[in-house]
Amino acid sequence: DQQVKQNSPSLSVQEGRISILNCDYTNSMFDYFLWYKKYPAEGPTFLISISSIKDKNEDGRFTVFLNKSAKHLSLHIVPSQPGDSAVYFCAASAPGAGSYQLTFGKGTKLSVIP
Amino acid sequence: NAGVTQTPKFRVLKTGQSMTLLCAQDMNHEYMYWYRQDPGMGLRLIHYSVGEGTTAKGEVPDGYNVSRLKKQNFLLGLESAAPSQTSVYFCAAGLGLGTEAFFGQGTRLTVV
Repeated sequence: DQQVKQNSPSLSVQEGRISILNCDYTNSMFDYFLWYKKYPAEGPTFLISISSIKDKNEDGRFTVFLNKSAKHLSLHIVPSQPGDSAVYFCAASAPGAGSYQLTFGKGTKLSVIP
Repeated sequence: NAGVTQTPKFRVLKTGQSMTLLCAQDMNHEYMYWYRQDPGMGLRLIHYSVGEGTTAKGEVPDGYNVSRLKKQNFLLGLESAAPSQTSVYFCAAGLGLGTEAFFGQGTRLTVV
């Protein structure tokens, strides 16, 4: 049973527009959420995170929104740039419950079209 | 600024052979992890370590063993490789408690 779900395998967006990547989770113990970006033939790199005590976290062009009641989070990229083309992984953990594991979604491939 | 380094980057094994993947970190992080990435499956945790001399099983531990004899190194062993272990393996190191982890560049392993 997949606890972190990214239901869109791919997304195409025009350069300069907003990219919205979605993630749903089922485990109510999750209280810390992260987004990673991965280019081909490289390891994932950390992008942005959010704790369950917040509903929004912003870092430059990247904003993560958390809706705890819906068990849903989203990553907004504004404006999108061609260099943002990559696979984006949503991840969740339960540090409050003493869990040291990051549980990842399957990823969404973002293509930003110039 | 090496961060997390994995050795080797590529390897082809025959079924039944054994090998060890080495992960080294220079960030002095307590926590280290081994993940595998398969097409359409995301990243799945194999084993992890919360400190020198400790290891624990993750989501998909079968067929793998690990050791953390030194804080900076985390070894992943395959005793008898199987085609199902063909994958890209990523090592990561972090501060733990489910916070952000820093990944190596990956090892592409093919078992024929």
